[in-house]
Amino acid sequence: DTAVSQTPKYLVTQMGNDKSIKCEQNLGHDTMYWYKQDSKKFLKIMFSYNNKELIINETVPNRFSPKSPDKAHLNLHINSLELGDSAVYFCASSPGALGTAYNEQFFGPGTRLTVL
Amino acid sequence: GIQVEQSPPDLILQEGANSTLRCNFSDSVNNLQWFHQNPWGQLINLFYIPSGTKQNGRLSATTVATERYSLLYISSSQTTDSGVYFCSNTGKLIFGQGTTLQVKP
Repeated sequence: DTAVSQTPKYLVTQMGNDKSIKCEQNLGHDTMYWYKQDSKKFLKIMFSYNNKELIINETVPNRFSPKSPDKAHLNLHINSLELGDSAVYFCASSPGALGTAYNEQFFGPGTRLTVL
Repeated sequence: GIQVEQSPPDLILQEGANSTLRCNFSDSVNNLQWFHQNPWGQLINLFYIPSGTKQNGRLSATTVATERYSLLYISSSQTTDSGVYFCSNTGKLIFGQGTTLQVKP
C-alpha cells in the first residue's frame, strides 16, 4: 500500500532505556517530519528533514536524535528515556519543502510510547 | 501566544445535525490543512485548502487567507464523524488545539 508507515505501533519501556522508532514513506516525498502528541492531544513539531537534510530542529532535548538514511526513511532514536517522554509520536511526509505550495502532509499511524 | 485557535473546543451533536468548526490564525496562513483524528488515533487528511472552498461528500471547507481563518462544515453528521478535528498552518508546522466532536445516535 502507498502510505507512511511506522514501527512499532506500541512501545512500553523502563526509564533510562534507549529506544528507536522507524518511519518509512513510499509516496516519493522529499520532506519528512516527526511530531509529538501529548496527553492533551496537542501536536508539536519536533524535526523536519528535506532530502535527508535536517531543516527544522525545534526545542527538543538532545536525547532525541533523528536520522534519515535516505529520503524515504526517517528514524527517531531516544536515549535515557524519561517519564515525560510518554506520548504518541507521529511521522509525516510531504511532497515538497516548507515554503512551497507542495507541503500537504500525510501522517503515519503513530507510535504510542509509554515510559514506566 | 496562540497562533492557531480552534473553536469550539468541544461539540456534541445529535446524528443528522450540521455544524461549523472554525480555525483562526494570528499570523499569515501558508497553506492550511484539516485533519480528523478518529477514536483509534489515526490522523486522516480531510482537506488541503490554502484558499477558496472545497467539498468532499458531506464535508466542505473554506479558507479566507486574507482574513486569516478557515471553516470546516459537517452536514448530516454521523456517529463515525466523532473524534478530534485539527487545522494546521502547514507552512509553519503549527496545529490548533483541536475540536473534539461527539455525534450521538
